[in-house]
Formats: sequence, structure tokens, C-alpha cells
Amino acid sequence: DTEVTQTPKHLVMGMTNKKSLKCEQHMGHRAMYWYKQKAKKPPELMFVYSYEKLSINESVPSRFSPECPNSSLLNLHLHALQPEDSALYLCASSQVTALGETQYFGPGTRLLVL
Amino acid sequence: EDQVTQSPEALRLQEGESSSLNCSYTVSGLRGLFWYRQDPGKGPEFLFTLYSAGEEKEKERLKATLTKKESFLHITAPKPEDSATYLCAVQAPGNYGQNFVFGPGTRLSVLP
Repeated sequence: DTEVTQTPKHLVMGMTNKKSLKCEQHMGHRAMYWYKQKAKKPPELMFVYSYEKLSINESVPSRFSPECPNSSLLNLHLHALQPEDSALYLCASSQVTALGETQYFGPGTRLLVL
Repeated sequence: EDQVTQSPEALRLQEGESSSLNCSYTVSGLRGLFWYRQDPGKGPEFLFTLYSAGEEKEKERLKATLTKKESFLHITAPKPEDSATYLCAVQAPGNYGQNFVFGPGTRLSVLP
């Protein structure tokens, strides 16, 4: 089973709202990721957690706040977003093996900021 | 700097018309090359990982190959349900997401 789940599927929020995106995997993967994807563009890496610790933060604005409560869960807290933050937000997880590392993606959350 | 390019940007095929998508890369010490399929508004679906030049993998109508500079995704006798964006990504040495670079994708349309 290579399933990553994300909730909600769709989210509409105003610029003053606070909301959270959730991601879950039960594959025992020790790395989890948040990506942002705009239409007709490839995914852009935002954050990486390895062993529940933030290891990569790709200069993302502070209005995005990641959290990894345990090895299976990943949250992305949103506050005071701008309309240009509207995008598909993707969660992924991976495990390093002797051969390498493959990332498995969730279905995404479609976010619209009004 | 690690780079990935994909061609063509978009491709229209008739059902049954076989073709190939190209992924060219420059990376120091390739750890893996990945192919994903992405439907509109959905997350990328993992297809293949290739680790070394000469390696080939197949899944249904898809076959991925790897050389030292590029990878091809061959689509044999495609069907309309193969229509999607196909993303290529490479990883250079590094741990957990480091040096993981996506290409811009090829948008494939298969017409009935």
C-alpha cells in the first residue's frame, strides 16, 4: 500500500482566516513533504520533515507554518494568506532504501484564497 | 546546477499511435530518476524509478528507459485514459528531499 491521504480536498478561505491542511501516511516512511503547485507548473518544494524534525524550509513565508505531530501525520497551518497563495497543496512521503528514495504523493488540497 | 527538461511540452496522439516522451537531465551523481503521471487537480501518481543507465521498466502500455543523459517514456498503443501530464524528476546525492528536481512536464492528449 502506497497511500498518502490529505484533507480537506478543497478549501476556500478569506485572507483573515486560519485553517489547517492535514496529511497522513501509514507506510512507515520517515520523511514527509509539503509542495505547492500552480496550474501547468511542476510541484515546488516548501518543507521537508525527516524523523519528525524540520530539515528543509525553502524560504517559505511565515504565513505557512508546518507541524509534524508524529511520524504518520503532517499539518500545514495557514494564516493571513494572500490570493496568490491559491494553488494545489501536495503532501508526499518517502523512505530511503539501499536503492534510493521514491516520493509518494497524496491527492492534494485545492486551496482558493479570496 | 541540477536541471531537468522535458520534451515535447505538449503532445497529441490518436488512439493507438505510439510515441515517446523525453526527459533530459544534468545532475552530479544521479541517485534516481522518477516518472509520475498527474491528472488535472490530482496529486502525481508514481510510475517508475530508474537508478542506472541501461535500466528499463514496464507497466502496461508504458516503458521507461534511462541513459546517462536522458530518459524516455515510451507509450505503446495509447488509449484516451492515458491522457495526463507526465512529470520527470531526478535526485542528486542528498537525504530526504534534498536535490530532488522536477521537470516541467509533458501534457499528453490521446484522441479517440
